[in-house]
Parts: sequence; C-alpha cells; structure tokens
Amino acid sequence: AQRVTQPEKLLSVFKGAPVELKCNYSYSGSPELFWYVQYSRQRLQLLLRHISRESIKGFTADLNKGETSFHLKKPFAQEEDSAMYYCALSGKSGGTSYGKLTFGQGTILTVHP
Amino acid sequence: GAGVSQTPSNKVTEKGKYVELRCDPISGHTALYWYRQSLGQGPEFLIYFQGTGAADDSGLPNDRFFAVRPEGSVSTLKIQRTERGDSAVYLCASSLASGGRYNEQFFGPGTRLTVL
Repeated sequence: AQRVTQPEKLLSVFKGAPVELKCNYSYSGSPELFWYVQYSRQRLQLLLRHISRESIKGFTADLNKGETSFHLKKPFAQEEDSAMYYCALSGKSGGTSYGKLTFGQGTILTVHP
Repeated sequence: GAGVSQTPSNKVTEKGKYVELRCDPISGHTALYWYRQSLGQGPEFLIYFQGTGAADDSGLPNDRFFAVRPEGSVSTLKIQRTERGDSAVYLCASSLASGGRYNEQFFGPGTRLTVL
C-alpha cells in the first residue's frame, strides 16, 4: 500500500521568512514524488517533481529515501505563495511510473505581509 | 490551448438518483484519470484509462460507480443510487501517456456533487 502524510494542515509565515512544508511517504517500491499546488479559485497544477531536480518559483524539494520524506522548501516566502499544497506519490516499477497518484491531505500555506 | 474541461461544474441531486459527470481531456492525451476529493481531504484516486480501456479501477468504492471512455477521448463517470456520502468534488485529469516521462497530469476544474 502507498501512503502520503502531510502532518500540517495549516502553516503561516511572514513574507520573507523561510518555509518548509513537510511530506512523508510510505511505499515498498521505488516511488516518484510530486508537489501539486492549488491557488485560490484555480485548478490543481503540478509545481515540481523530484526527478526534475528543478527550482520552481523558488521552491525546491529533495527526495530523502532514508527518511522517506519529500519536504518542500523556499528560503524567502512571498504573499503569492499562499495556496493549498499537496504532496503526491506515483508508484514505479521497472523504470515506468504507474499512472495513479496518491495524495496527502494537503497543507494550506498563508504568507502574511 | 484548451485545458481539461468538466461538466457540469455543480450538480445537486437527491439521494437515490442517478448522475453522470463528464470529462473532456486535453486533445491527444491518451491517459485519463478520475479522482474524488471530499471536504478537507486530498484527491483520492478512483479509476484511470489508457485509451478506451480502464487500466486500473481499484479506487472505485463500490459497484454503484462506473466510468466509460468509449472513443478514447471524453469520459463519463456514472453514479447509481447516489448516497449523501457521495457528495464531493470529482476531479478529472489527463496526461500524454501513463507513466514514463509524460506522466504530468493536468487537472480539470472539478464537478461539485451534492447529494441531498
């Protein structure tokens, strides 16, 4: 079974402060991890995926297989980062990812001015 | 180009009724997914299609739920004998292919289903 846990339902920071959204996963095989974001009145969209190793909108996330974590980080939060963030996992076998995503419960990030 | 579209955006029905929810994927996307999102929860996988066939329907909660994609494009999620617990936002997503390097899923705006 695969599971994604986001321990914080709500996270509040001030503009310019560092932010870290936690994500832990449980999966017996080799997973592919994603962060999806939903801004107010917009649809769910991909923010970043671990295999890309990119920084998107200043956010980065490193897959830590030892700790089974995929925390999302940004050194200096901006007001426009306020949104709902979901960590998601797709199981992978033989180098090919499965289609379905397993999502965490989500963390609402609020960045205050 | 046009993204994933879902109709209706809102559906209110009475307990015991039958409902159909429609999803139009991005043109050319072969994989299509349905998720259900209850209040305060993350999206929960229901079913996914690769082309016309259901490649994985392990998330369908019971036999009242059924989905089709007869021509490999538009999909319809059908719920029979609706129950109040079926109230949720139903999300559809599509991707160029399932797995591999193209498994970014693009989501629609969702259909909010309310069962009274």
